[in-house]
Formats: sequence, C-alpha cells, structure tokens
Amino acid sequence: NAGVMQNPRHLVRRRGQEARLRCSPVKGHSHVYWYRQLPEEGLKFMVYLQKENIIDESGMPKERFSAEFPKEGPSILRIQQVVRGDSAAYFCASSPEGDYGYTFGSGTRLTVV
Amino acid sequence: RKEVEQDPGPFNVPEGATVAFNCTYSNSASQSFFWYRQDCRKEPKLLMSVYSSGNEDGRFTAQLNRASQYISLLIRDSKLSDSATYLCACRTGGFKTIFGAGTRLFVKA
Repeated sequence: NAGVMQNPRHLVRRRGQEARLRCSPVKGHSHVYWYRQLPEEGLKFMVYLQKENIIDESGMPKERFSAEFPKEGPSILRIQQVVRGDSAAYFCASSPEGDYGYTFGSGTRLTVV
Repeated sequence: RKEVEQDPGPFNVPEGATVAFNCTYSNSASQSFFWYRQDCRKEPKLLMSVYSSGNEDGRFTAQLNRASQYISLLIRDSKLSDSATYLCACRTGGFKTIFGAGTRLFVKA
C-alpha cells in the first residue's frame, strides 16, 4: 500500500537549467497538491490539481513554474531556468475525495548551484 | 497578517509534562482544521483532524474555537518521541490547505 511517491529525493541543478519533480499520489487519491518549504519556514501552497486539470495555481509564480497531472502517469512540477532562490524542499501531497487530511510524499530537495 | 499563525517556540518540556499549542486563523470562512507533525528533514504527517466538538486520540486532544478563530493541541504525558514541529492547517472551501509555520517541541529526559 504505497504512499505518495516523489522522485528524485535530491536534485542538484545549475542556474539556468530545468528541474522536473515527479509525484505519484496514493492509489485512489484524485487530488494532488504541491508545496514548497524553505529551511525554518512553513509550507507554502503552490498548486492544486486533479487529473488533467489545474484547479488552483494561486501560489505558483507566474513565470518559470508549471505543473501538470496527466491522465496517465505522475504529476510533474517543472521549474525552468532555475535560480538560487528556487532552492527548497518541494513536497507533494494527495487526498481522496471528501474532507480529509493530506498524505505527503518524502519531498524533493532541490539545490541550485 | 498571516492566514494561519503559530508561536514558533521552541517549547522545552520534561518527559511526562503536559504541553499545549495554540494556532489562530484569520479567515472566518475556514471550514476544516488539522494538526500535522513534522520531524526534522522529513515530510509532514497528519496527526489528527480537529472537529467542532473537540476530539481526542490517546494523549492528544484537539479543540476548535470558531468564535475566537483558534485551534489548540494538548499533549499529555509527553514522551521523548513527541519532539517534533507541530503544524496547524486550515482549509477554506475547496481542498486547498494553508499551513502555519509550526511550533517546535523538545521533550527532554
């Protein structure tokens, strides 16, 4: 009974490269969320998706960041032309339909050098 | 003003102590509330949902005060393993959840 699977666990990118973060939700969960966490700070909401739809992207920077949750395959958070300020832990979470808490993945720690 | 605010702590308590955390939220339309636990460099894990009538799970008790817009978490008989950061979270319609920055707890022998 796998939980939320995120990969890679650690990702190092040079400034200007692209970062792709993957997330497979708990089987049967139809809602996926991406959060970003800086050291000693809280979780900042980025985007909420359902299959093939972006429901709420109010926390996502307008430029360089995009997310998708295709019909088949994992959800992808894509960061183009990364900058040092993008270095953070990115957590994906999923939930079933209904008013339930989230199950989080173990996160991807992105370091931009 | 942050949507969800918590005292960052740290709270340093001896084993066996009772400790309480409060969390305030600014959006009166918030409908659902949760407490999560996050260990250092790990993912948050759902500790418990918070219901209007209050709820208890073993040594943990959560309360909601809608009039004053705060939720609380009480931990009785603290264990060393309770040392972690405790995040409160609020959901306002839809499924988007806003998290507080967390309260750090250290339980010492």
